[in-house]
Amino acid sequence: EVQLVESGGGLVQPGGSLRLSCAASGFTFSSFSMNWVRQAPGKGLEWVANIKEQGSERYYVDSVKGRFTISRDNAKSSMYLQMNSLRAEDTAVYYCARVAYRFGFDPWGQGTLVTVSS
Amino acid sequence: QSALTQPPSASGSPGQSVTISCTGTSSDVGGYNYVSWYQQHPGKAPKLMIYEVSKRPSGVPDRFSGSKSGNTASLTVSGLQAEDEADYYCSSYAGSNTLYVFGTGTKVTVL
Repeated sequence: EVQLVESGGGLVQPGGSLRLSCAASGFTFSSFSMNWVRQAPGKGLEWVANIKEQGSERYYVDSVKGRFTISRDNAKSSMYLQMNSLRAEDTAVYYCARVAYRFGFDPWGQGTLVTVSS
Repeated sequence: QSALTQPPSASGSPGQSVTISCTGTSSDVGGYNYVSWYQQHPGKAPKLMIYEVSKRPSGVPDRFSGSKSGNTASLTVSGLQAEDEADYYCSSYAGSNTLYVFGTGTKVTVL
């Protein structure tokens, strides 16, 4: 079964850091581009970051550039999101998602909640 | 990069059809045939329903169909069923700078 499981969320103070992980199973992880997508409470989906199959190319939404870093370890079938200088507006459920079809995201993990508050 | 524009809500009775629009620009929806649609039930992760404007992943009922004209894409759900009540989001590839953009979301209610 193709599966993605996020972890690492929690409560952090403004200006703090957090590292999210996404563990993949059931498919050849190194063959797929991966993404982080977030959803603030009661709001819509927002694409956050993408990393290509071998990690050589990385892309970010403007609001996180310079603060967030996406990475992957194909040997561990895992992807990460290092989040620094966190702000209240970064509060959201963070999902990892595989690019399985031509630019279609499938599947998605169950999400991990990040709360930035003092 | 601004979010794609969707109507906040749409509704229909069981058995009827509902169509949701998704309006972008020539830099996203209009520039590529890479529009996807996602269904999200409360408290759940999104699920891919349509990719490449009109293609369905295996397991998605053929009651779900997609199309595009210019800068606007559409999702039609035919033969509405109670389980179709959910939030729906469109997404488009947006080029090599901001890779992807999502729509504002539409809540579909089955009356």
